Amino acid sequence: GAVVSQHPSRVICKSGTSVKIECRSLDFQATTMFWYRQFPKKSLMLMATSNEGSKATYEQGVEKDKFLINHASLTLSTLTVTSAHPEDSSFYICSAPLAPDTQYFGPGTRLTVL
Amino acid sequence: GESVGLHLPTLSVQEGDNSIINCAYSNSASDYFIWYKQESGKGPQFIIDIRSNMDKRQGQRVTVLLNKTVKHLSLQIAATQPGDSAVYFCAENEYGNKLVFGAGTILRVKS
Repeated sequence: GAVVSQHPSRVICKSGTSVKIECRSLDFQATTMFWYRQFPKKSLMLMATSNEGSKATYEQGVEKDKFLINHASLTLSTLTVTSAHPEDSSFYICSAPLAPDTQYFGPGTRLTVL
Repeated sequence: GESVGLHLPTLSVQEGDNSIINCAYSNSASDYFIWYKQESGKGPQFIIDIRSNMDKRQGQRVTVLLNKTVKHLSLQIAATQPGDSAVYFCAENEYGNKLVFGAGTILRVKS
């Protein structure tokens, strides 16, 4: 069945470094992917819409220079957290629609910034 | 930084009982709603969906009810099992596959 993967599943980095998270759609192509952020015991908050072949669309309050999104191909979107700080520690989840109204979510990436 | 606010509400049920999880949505123009289950450290998993032209939809052991008048969704789980323990989120599709998630409810099943 349709699956979305994320890599890495967990990452620990030092403050000031940049971290790249990959989101891949397996067995299907996605011109659009979505990136969410989730704090512990909170809901998912949409950060941005990743668009293949064009710029990402960011939600209000999300810094585009902080969270760089690149939709490199029809099966890959990457989120780079630049100059990470402890407050960027969170669970990052991507999703990709297989069809209208059918979204598949990745397993998430736990980012811890020391 | 981390958002400050209320923690997720918790529903505790006895194994075998029925569970009802409620959700209020915000956009009266939303036409598609989904319930997701999220286990600790994992991504959301699709449970059931419903379109705005329906008020009830049934799946295996789950039923979703939609009340558009008061913008309310509920998820009913029959004969709740320990494996149902998780966080449950409703989501509304505002447009273009863009989902807005509700606050979530923790379901704890007691054996």
